[in-house]
Amino acid sequence: NAGVMQNPRHLVRRRGQEARLRCSPMKGHSHVYWYRQLPEEGLKFMVYLQKENIIDESGMPKERFSAEFPKEGPSILRIQQVVRGDSAAYFCASSPNVGIGTDTQYFGPGTRLTVL
Amino acid sequence: SQQGEEDPQALSIQEGENATMNCSYKTSINNLQWYRQNSGRGLVHLILIRSNEREKHSGRLRVTLDTSKKSSSLLITASRAADTASYFCATDNSGGSNYKLTFGKGTLLTVNP
Repeated sequence: NAGVMQNPRHLVRRRGQEARLRCSPMKGHSHVYWYRQLPEEGLKFMVYLQKENIIDESGMPKERFSAEFPKEGPSILRIQQVVRGDSAAYFCASSPNVGIGTDTQYFGPGTRLTVL
Repeated sequence: SQQGEEDPQALSIQEGENATMNCSYKTSINNLQWYRQNSGRGLVHLILIRSNEREKHSGRLRVTLDTSKKSSSLLITASRAADTASYFCATDNSGGSNYKLTFGKGTLLTVNP
């Protein structure tokens, strides 16, 4: 059973460009979470999605950031018009639907975004 | 201090010694989780302890939870160089959104061979 997959692992963008980060949850998981980690900091919650639904986006900046988890395909975190302050590691996590371990979140390897 | 705050910030020990890291939090929780992060890599889930549990073991790991003090400790016994990593505790919030994990800044553990 493959773990949570994220790509790209590293992404370099110039200010003003768009960044698209992809996350494929573990097989059998339909709950996806995005977190951001700034240098020397812990992870900060951004958004929680289920298939075709945004459940909680309270941790996401109001502008330029959006997330989706379509019926088919990976979850996408999209950052428009990136600025230097967006440089960080973005982690995706997933959890199973029901049963034992539903409250454990399994993390992907992260996407390290660098904005020049 | 913030929810899910670990101490010490950094810990350096010799191989074979035990390492103890602590975590304090502020709100009521359903469970507390410990994760490991190797430099520049993703997070690996180590152990989850529920609010009605006081102690849990997994291999060389021992986690305790004291809900009255809102604190937890992670003990790694007989440490190895491969244990070198940052360790984070993560808490949910039983009074709010239990899926929203709050992480501290972590403890950087260095195990010297």
